[in-house]
Amino acid sequence: GESVGLHLPTLSVQEGDNSIINCAYSNSASDYFIWYKQESGKGPQFIIDIRSNMDKRQGQRVTVLLNKTVKHLSLQIAATQPGDSAVYFCAEVNQGGKLIFGQGTELSVKP
Amino acid sequence: ETGVTQSPTHLIKTRGQQVTLRCSSQSGHNTVSWYQQALGQGPQFIFQYYREEENGRGNFPPRFSGLQFPNYSSELNVNALELDDSALYLCASSAGGGFQETQYFGPGTRLLVL
Repeated sequence: GESVGLHLPTLSVQEGDNSIINCAYSNSASDYFIWYKQESGKGPQFIIDIRSNMDKRQGQRVTVLLNKTVKHLSLQIAATQPGDSAVYFCAEVNQGGKLIFGQGTELSVKP
Repeated sequence: ETGVTQSPTHLIKTRGQQVTLRCSSQSGHNTVSWYQQALGQGPQFIFQYYREEENGRGNFPPRFSGLQFPNYSSELNVNALELDDSALYLCASSAGGGFQETQYFGPGTRLLVL
């Protein structure tokens, strides 16, 4: 079956450091990828997206990289802050037009 | 806040009962998608409603059904509840059918089936 998975279930970083969260996807035909942030007790919040015709996209303090050759997606957060502590999900829109989420990586920021 | 609201926030039911969850979409959005999120897992797509019609469905049995109203609010109904239906149920609204538009999630309804 199709799956979007994450390499690490937890990530702990020092405040001010950069964070990198990785994601592997299995469907090479997927053409749209999204990163979501989910804080405790809340629904997922859109962070940044990227389409398959791009390999990099930047937002405010965040960058998403897409490597279609190895079917890998990463989210980079610059100068990580305590407010960035949350679970981060990657998601892909697959060939059937459905949104598939990965399991999530819990980011913990140490002050 | 996204402007997407869900009710109730929490719910306890017993096995075999039926439940209705509600979602109000963000102003200007005509599409609502529903997801089930088990503890420690990513959300799983249940179905999507676009302009009052079902517009795609995930791998959920027919006892999961839905509605979308003319104001684009939506309901998720689950019949014959099972213990495994215990989860956080999320709805998300967007400005168009499919998933190419940004989805804005509500806070979810936490359902516990005993």
